[in-house]
This record gives sequence, structure tokens and C-alpha cells, in this order.
Amino acid sequence: KQEVTQIPAALSVPEGENLVLNCSFTDSAIYNLQWFRQDPGKGLTSLLLIQSSQREQTSGRLNASLDKSSGRSTLYIAASQPGDSATYLCAVTIGGGKLIFGQGTELSVKP
Amino acid sequence: NAGVTQTPKFQVLKTGQSMTLQCAQDMNHEYMSWYRQDPGMGLRLIHYSVGAGITDQGEVPNGYNVSRSTTEDFPLRLLSAAPSQTSVYFCASSTPGQGAGETQYFGPGTRLLVL
Repeated sequence: KQEVTQIPAALSVPEGENLVLNCSFTDSAIYNLQWFRQDPGKGLTSLLLIQSSQREQTSGRLNASLDKSSGRSTLYIAASQPGDSATYLCAVTIGGGKLIFGQGTELSVKP
Repeated sequence: NAGVTQTPKFQVLKTGQSMTLQCAQDMNHEYMSWYRQDPGMGLRLIHYSVGAGITDQGEVPNGYNVSRSTTEDFPLRLLSAAPSQTSVYFCASSTPGQGAGETQYFGPGTRLLVL
């Protein structure tokens, strides 16, 4: 059974710091891995999607990597801003549009 | 495009009542799915569909029914509400293929309170 784990559960950093969020999964048979952002009381917004054949994706200050063989992904956020404060969710696609989610990392960026 | 829409935004039910959570998408996506989000449990898959007329169970299907008569709509029915079904429900859609086409789009969610 596929399981997804995110570490840490919560993270507080000062503005301007670079940070890394971690995601691990137990079964390498995935179609892709996605990182989402969720603001309090809101839905999920897709940030980056990495295909199983890819190693990384970049969007602005965000960079996500994927090492399928070791079952790990990282989300790197450069020069963090208070507006980055949110919960970040990692999910793997296992076919048929089905996602298995981690429990998320709650990020707080202090001014 | 409106994307993925969900109604209602918030609902209070009494134990034993039934209701239908509505989900619609206007992106012609083949895949649609329902998740529930609970504190400490993350998002868990309830039911999913890979196309009109095709549905299957996810991780936590008990107490819920779905149908997919059109590509656009994927309603979730609670047969007899229980307090354990108090949660936030999200509908999502995507399309098979490579690249950004597989990106999952989520609705804004329905907050359900069962008393």
C-alpha cells in the first residue's frame, strides 16, 4: 500500500530564508508527483507536477525534485516571503487520476 | 472556464439525514474524484471515476454513493449521515496524458457538519 509522509509537520522561518520541504513515498510505481498549496479554509492549488521520468521542475522561486528510486521529493522555496505562509501538500498519482496525499507541512514565514 | 465548482459551500445535517454534494467541471476532464480532509488524516480518496458511466471505490467509500452520468458532473451522495462524516469534502478533476495535462484541479470544498 502506497504511503506518503511529509517532514516536518510544521515549519517557522524568518522572511528571506531559503527552505526545503520533504516528501517520501513507499512505492516507486507512480505516474507523477504533485506539490499543492492550501491556504486556511480554501481549496488546493497545484504548484508543480513532476512526471515519473523527470528529475525536477521549476516555477519562479519554487523548485521540486524527484528521486523515484529512493522514494523522495523535495520542494525548495527560495527567498521566502510572508505570502508563502500556507500548508504545502505532496501527493503521488497512482493511476486513474487517483492521488495519495501526505499530511502536509504547515509553513509560517515571519516578517 | 469556471474550473471545478462545488455546492453547497457549507451544510449542517442531522444524523440519519441524506444529502447530495454537487461537483461539476467545465474542462472536459475524464477523471473526477472525491476526497475528504480531516485534521491529522490528510486527504483521503472516497470514490473516483475515469469516465462517464464508470466509478470505483477509493480508500474510504463506506456511507457514500456516486454516479457519473455525464462527463461534467460527479455528485457524492451521503445515504444516512453520521457524525463521523463531519469533514471538508473536495472534488477534483484531471485528464490522462503527459505533462501539465495531468495536473489535478480542485474545487473550493464543501464543509459538512453532522450533528
